Amino acid sequence: KAGVTQTPRYLIKTRGQQVTLSCSPISGHRSVSWYQQTPGQGLQFLFEYFSETQRNKGNFPGRFSGRQFSNSRSEMNVSTLELGDSALYLCASSIDIKSQYFGPGTRLLVL
Amino acid sequence: AQKVTQAQTEISVVEKEDVTLDCVYETRDTTYYLFWYKQPPSGELVFLIRRNSFDEQNEISGRYSWNFQKSTSSFNFTITASQVVDSAVYFCALSERPQAGTALIFGKGTTLSVSS
Repeated sequence: KAGVTQTPRYLIKTRGQQVTLSCSPISGHRSVSWYQQTPGQGLQFLFEYFSETQRNKGNFPGRFSGRQFSNSRSEMNVSTLELGDSALYLCASSIDIKSQYFGPGTRLLVL
Repeated sequence: AQKVTQAQTEISVVEKEDVTLDCVYETRDTTYYLFWYKQPPSGELVFLIRRNSFDEQNEISGRYSWNFQKSTSSFNFTITASQVVDSAVYFCALSERPQAGTALIFGKGTTLSVSS
């Protein structure tokens, strides 16, 4: 069974731009969660989508948004990028809380 | 408020030493799940173990073992006879109200370095 895939793996943007990251979950998994990892704040939960609906949301500004498609693939968007948005963005797919499988992440650098 | 504390930021050991990674959590829920993940330099989080709040039985898997104690709100992880391949960042995580979603609250992580 294929694992969680994330594209792109690396991304360089400049302040003020926007970016879209993609996550394809494991086949049959309907839940997709997004996390931001930075050296200072560690791993922080962004949001979770389940059957195309946002089920949970972390404490991030509205510049961070996401969506999920009918095939469970998910995208997250960050608008008006700031230097502090430089991070590793991890996506996890799951059937339920008992098993969450993470993708390799997208490393975003904002210059 | 929910919280996960991994007091050890970095640990360095020599191969074949045993090492214990500490994890203390805070939650008001009676139903919750605890996890350990390993993050090698490649960045991907690798699932190691899951425990629910009603199961305090300790678990051993090869060189890995976990000690869950609700009385002290701790979920510690021991690697026996460590190896260089164990070098990674290890995260403890908590999930509350699992029926409401899958959000994980992570500790800051412990960087384990095993030298030969």
